[in-house]
Parts: sequence; C-alpha cells; structure tokens
Amino acid sequence: GAVVSQHPSRVICKSGTSVKIECRSLDFQATTMFWYRQFPKQSLMLMATSNEGSKATYEQGVEKDKFLINHASLTLSTLTVTSAHPEDSSFYICSARVVRASRNYNEQFFGPGTRLTVL
Amino acid sequence: AQTVTQSQPEMSVQEAETVTLSCTYDTSESNYYLFWYKQPPSRQMILVIRQEAYKQQNATENRFSVNFQKAAKSFSLKISDSQLGDTAMYFCAFMKLRDDKIIFGKGTRLHILP
Repeated sequence: GAVVSQHPSRVICKSGTSVKIECRSLDFQATTMFWYRQFPKQSLMLMATSNEGSKATYEQGVEKDKFLINHASLTLSTLTVTSAHPEDSSFYICSARVVRASRNYNEQFFGPGTRLTVL
Repeated sequence: AQTVTQSQPEMSVQEAETVTLSCTYDTSESNYYLFWYKQPPSRQMILVIRQEAYKQQNATENRFSVNFQKAAKSFSLKISDSQLGDTAMYFCAFMKLRDDKIIFGKGTRLHILP
C-alpha cells in the first residue's frame, strides 16, 4: 500500500509555456502533499506544502506565481510551472503524507518524479 | 534552523563488504526523527530506515543499521553484506516532531562494485 504516482514522468516544453504535473495518492487519502525540486546530482529542496482545500504554503524563495499548486481533492495535488524557462528545468518530486491516528509519526511516500526540460 | 551534513559525496565498496555512511545534523530540538533514504537510478525515493530521537536503541532493518549518537548529533548508516542493488544515492534526513517538513542532506553516492 501507500503508492504515490506522478504524471507525466517526463515532459519537454518550449520556453514560455505552462506545464502541469500531477501527484496522486493511489490507495490512501492525503490531506497534505509536498513538492520538491531536485537539481542534477543534488539534494531535494522542499518547494511547498500542499494542503487539501486550502492554499499551499511556499518555502522562502519559491515564487508562488511561478509554481502554482492546487490540492483540490484528497488524492490529487497539481503543480503548474507557469511561463516556464530553461532555468526551471529540473526533476520535480512529490510526496504524500499518510496520517495514522495510532502513531505520532506520519510517514511520507514519494512519487517517482517528473523530469521537466524547458527548451 | 536545522541542517543536515553528509561529508562523503561518493563512496565505492566491493560487493559483500560492509560500508558506513556518515551524517551529522544540527538542531536545538530534543525530539525529532532521523531518516536514511535511498534514491536508486530510477530516482524513486525509498525509505531505508527511521530513528526516533527519543529512543536510545539504534534502529535496524535487515542489513541496514544506524549508529545514533544524540549528544554528538551523529547518525551514520551501516550497510552489511552490500549488494549490487544497494548502488544508489543515499540521503540522510531530519524532521522535527509533529512537523512534516523533511530536511535532506546533500547525499552520498554509493557504488557497489562486483
């Protein structure tokens, strides 16, 4: 159980276009999902926390208008990179939190990632 | 602010050997979680092991074990009887109690050689 999917797995787009990436929890409900960005051979940097039914919380330095996050249901969060530019090329990973009432710890499960290339 | 430091960018060991990956962290919190995540070439992040800071006993998962030194803020991962499938990027990570934000180290690229 606790599978997270991302779609698409890779996307190539022209500069100036917008790209939407989906993150789905397949077998559980996730009130909270997270979006990370990973540059080549580097670590994961948290971009934002996506909360179902409310506005996302962005980390310092992340442009809200550039990276639009929508968490419209308990199983789906979307990240839209608006007016993409080559510097937005990166690997984007989402994770979803599983809430277990019997535990203090809410494990996160990661999606397989989306490679975005902006030409 | 919390920081996680992995001082070994890359390591190589022969198959079946034991390897230890280092990690130090900095925090003023007394209760927190520490993790080791594995990212193989597929890029899928996989949780290897988790340690609760309030537990003195070191966590173990089959061939994977940690040496958690709370006072020294050290959290190393030992992989015993290493296998070719262990080849991956390994990230040490930190999370405050009752907070879902995971802070990752820069990672250690581990190569298991046949």
